[in-house]
Order: sequence, then structure tokens, then C-alpha cells
Amino acid sequence: AQSVAQPEDQVNVAEGNPLTVKCTYSVSGNPYLFWYVQYPNRGLQFLLKYITGDNLVKGSYGFEAEFNKSQTSFHLKKPSALVSDSALYFCAVRDGNSGNTPLVFGKGTRLSVIA
Amino acid sequence: GAVVSQHPSRVICKSGTSVKIECRSLDFQATTMFWYRQFPKQSLMLMATSNEGSKATYEQGVEKDKFLINHASLTLSTLTVTSAHPEDSSFYICSATPPGLAGGPHEQFFGPGTRLTVL
Repeated sequence: AQSVAQPEDQVNVAEGNPLTVKCTYSVSGNPYLFWYVQYPNRGLQFLLKYITGDNLVKGSYGFEAEFNKSQTSFHLKKPSALVSDSALYFCAVRDGNSGNTPLVFGKGTRLSVIA
Repeated sequence: GAVVSQHPSRVICKSGTSVKIECRSLDFQATTMFWYRQFPKQSLMLMATSNEGSKATYEQGVEKDKFLINHASLTLSTLTVTSAHPEDSSFYICSATPPGLAGGPHEQFFGPGTRLTVL
């Protein structure tokens, strides 16, 4: 079975400071990992994904994430937070051996960037 | 590309009525669409997989007679909440992916969601 854990319900960071949103995962095969962002009353927007190769992946709006196989983690990061980054962030996983199956999502982390 | 739309974006209805939510893939065809439900401050819960031309596959605990799914064409899936009650109030989101880009390493594309409020 696949699962994703986002241990923090809420992350607060000052504007201009670096931010990290944590994610750990569990799959039986090779993981495909994704980050999405959701603004109020909106659908999910894709930010970035890890499939294979370089452990550090770069995505939209200056976000990046680092895949760590030994720690089964895929934390989302940004060097300098903006107030406009305030939103709900979801980590998701799909087992590489599972074919066309829907993504499994974490419970989400609300990021609040304070000016 | 890969734009998914939903209609309506917001609906308020009386208890006991039925509500239909549409999910459309605007610039591609999708043989499979997914329907999710999101409660306030909670994650997305997969409700069902909608398959074009065949019956939907429902997740455990989801009442198929309550949440009717019809995937009548390659660009349209509908979710009908029958005899809605206040506990059905939620944010419903659909997802679709272009053929050849489904599953595996590919991301899913999501509609903007529909906020249902049952009075």
C-alpha cells in the first residue's frame, strides 16, 4: 500500500526567509513523488515531481524538493518565501509499479508567510 | 494544454434535492477521470474512478447509489449527488489526464473544484 505523511498541519515563516514543508512516503516499489499547491476554493496546481535521476528537482514559482531515499522523504523548499506563497500544499505519491492509478495524497500542510 | 474544467463552481441546494457536477477535459480526451472529495482542512479523498463507456469504480465506503457517476463521452464525466443532505456539503474535485500520459510518472490535472452546500 502507498501512503504519504505530512507531519505539520501548519508552517509559519517570515517573508524572505527560507521555507521547508515536510513529506515522507511509503511505497513497495520505486516512488513517483509530486507536490501540489491549492489556493482557497481552487483546484490543485502541479508544482514539481521526482521520477528518477537528480535528487534535487526544481519546479514552478521557485520551489524545489529533495528526494532522499534512505529517509523516504521528499521535502518541499524555497530559498526565500513570498506572502503570495501562502496556501495549502499537498505531497502525493504513486508506486512506480502500479500503472494508471490515482495519486495518493498527504493530508496537506498550510503555509502562512508573514510580511 | 491539459485543462480540466468543472461546473458549477459553487452550488447551494435544499436537503433532499439532487445536484449534478460536470467535469470536462477541454483540450484532450480522457478515458479515465477521478473524483475526489475534500473536507475542510483535510486531504483529498478519492471517491471513484470514472471510466468512459463503462461503470465507475467506487472506493470502499462510498455509496454508489448516492454518488452517481456517468462518463458518457471522452471529454465529460458527471457526478450526481442524489437526495443531498447537509453532511454531503463538501468541495468536490475532479481530475483527468491525457491518454498516453496517464499513471506512472505523470502528474494528474485537476479541475478548479465545486463547492456544494446543502441547507
